[in-house]
Order: sequence, then structure tokens, then C-alpha cells
Amino acid sequence: SQKIEQNSEALNIQEGKTATLTCNYTNYSPAYLQWYRQDPGRGPVFLLLIRENEKEKRKERLKVTFDTTLKQSLFHITASQPADSATYLCALVPYNQGGKLIFGQGTELSVKP
Amino acid sequence: GAVVSQHPSRVICKSGTSVKIECRSLDFQATTMFWYRQFPKQSLMLMATSNEGSKATYEQGVEKDKFLINHASLTLSTLTVTSAHPEDSSFYICSASRGSDGYTFGSGTRLTVV
Repeated sequence: SQKIEQNSEALNIQEGKTATLTCNYTNYSPAYLQWYRQDPGRGPVFLLLIRENEKEKRKERLKVTFDTTLKQSLFHITASQPADSATYLCALVPYNQGGKLIFGQGTELSVKP
Repeated sequence: GAVVSQHPSRVICKSGTSVKIECRSLDFQATTMFWYRQFPKQSLMLMATSNEGSKATYEQGVEKDKFLINHASLTLSTLTVTSAHPEDSSFYICSASRGSDGYTFGSGTRLTVV
């Protein structure tokens, strides 16, 4: 069956450290993979997109890697801040499915001062 | 940047009534919009793909007669929850694709059916 799995347990880290979140997928052929941030009671906010032929993307303190052999994406936040505390969702767009965006269950990140 | 406006943000309705949720793309045209629902502490589940000028495509298990979707223009899609019941209480979110800039999401609608 098709699955997108993220760390279900909340991730607690100290301010200034690097947070690393994992997204694994099964039985999908993603055209590209995206990461979103969601705060309670709000819609997701787009952070980064990485295509299947790209290995790594960076944006300010954020970095995403994509390994299509391992079927895994890693999302890093360097020099984390309490304001980074939120739920982070990975999502992929499969080929030939009309642009549908399919989400993992999200990982809650808590950055302590 | 591109904005998707979703209204209302919260609605409480009586069981058996219908509720309409609007989703507008404010500064871009969206030929395709997507509707999701999200239960507490769970991920977003895709309900349907809304295509301008044609019928929506529903995901497996989603009742098309209960969740009516209309996409009459390039900037507006609506979701109507008909004959709502308490189990329909959820967070409903729309989104539109912006190509390589990802997807823009509305701020969501918290529906409570009493």
C-alpha cells in the first residue's frame, strides 16, 4: 500500500541546535516533494520544494535532501529558535495524478529556549 | 505573494443543515483547487480535486452527494457540507497550486456541528 511516514513522536530540541525531521514514502513515484509548516488552527505554509532529480535544496536556515533510492527526504532547521516550534508536514506530488498533494502525518517540533 | 482566502474561519451549525465554505485565489488564477479535511492531531486528508468548469474528482470514500464542490470561476471554489452531522465536525482547508512555488493554502474553516 502507499504510505508517507514521518516521525510520529514529537521532537524536542534546545535552541541553537539543528532539528532533523524524516519523511519516508512507500509505493509512490513522486514528481516532487514539499515541506510545509503548520501552526495550530491554521492552514499549512509552504517552505521548500525539491524535485526528483535534485539531491538538496536550501533556503536560509532550512535544508531539504531527497534520496529517491532510499525513498526518503530529510528536513533540517539549523540554529533553531523557539519560533520554529510547529508541526512540519512532508507532502509529495505523484506523477500522473492531476497534481494531487499527499501529506504525511506531520512531526511536531518543540524548540526550548 | 499568492494568497488563498477561505471563509468562514469558524462555523457552528445545527445537525441536518448545510454549510458552504468559500475559497478564493486573490491574485492568481487557479484552474485546480484541492479540498482537505483534518481531524485533531492528524494529517490533512485529501477529499477532492476541484476543476474549474467541470465536475470535481472525489477521493475514495468521500461522498460526493454530501460534500458538494463547485468551481464556477478561475478564482472561486466552494465546498458545501450538506445535511451536516456531528461526525462532519472537522477542520476543512482548501489549496491551489502555484507550480514550482508549492501550494498555497487557505487559513482553514473549523466546522462544528451540534
